[in-house]
Amino acid sequence: AQKITQTQPGMFVQEKEAVTLDCTYDTSDQSYGLFWYKQPSSGEMIFLIYQGSYDEQNATEGRYSLNFQKARKSANLVISASQLGDSAMYFCAMREGRTGNQFYFGTGTSLTVIP
Amino acid sequence: GAGVSQSPSNKVTEKGKDVELRCDPISGHTALYWYRQSLGQGLEFLIYFQGNSAPDKSGLPSDRFSAERTGGSVSTLTIQRTQQEDSAVYLCASSWTGKWNTEAFFGQGTRLTVV
Repeated sequence: AQKITQTQPGMFVQEKEAVTLDCTYDTSDQSYGLFWYKQPSSGEMIFLIYQGSYDEQNATEGRYSLNFQKARKSANLVISASQLGDSAMYFCAMREGRTGNQFYFGTGTSLTVIP
Repeated sequence: GAGVSQSPSNKVTEKGKDVELRCDPISGHTALYWYRQSLGQGLEFLIYFQGNSAPDKSGLPSDRFSAERTGGSVSTLTIQRTQQEDSAVYLCASSWTGKWNTEAFFGQGTRLTVV
């Protein structure tokens, strides 16, 4: 089974609107971390936000927030007030506590912000 | 600089030649990762180093691939007898610890083209 599933290959959003990028995960570990990365066309992976499995509050970082629903095993990224510079690929990733050796990445969602 | 540095940025090599890709992690980071990203694809785990522990080589696709990390800092990924299917962007990342709740920071990648 896939560790991380991102079901939206491409998304469009109007500038200044909010958008939600979906991510579901699969693990039997109690301890795990969930991460979102942004990859602009330049290619570098930029860390956006982190949510730990024991965190009761949803993580927020500026315009980014993570909608963490543990029972559903989902960790959706919400971007508020979209900007043209938000156009990029977005990857959801997980790191498990038992092994922790690698980050498991989803296949990514391409976000396009329309002016 | 303060970030993860990779060199070269681009490498074009002839099929059958050996190549070496270099990664300078963030100073003080104990964990180092190599990933491969083929065109339009997600990230494929290659190898993980954590401190003085034996590396996790479970992602290396063949015995033509090897990596080392000297002095717990700089890492070199070596591909012997390159094949056209090795063409990809090779991404290096480092993190403060090897724990599951620690984010990784990526370099800008090395784009390898085998002709």
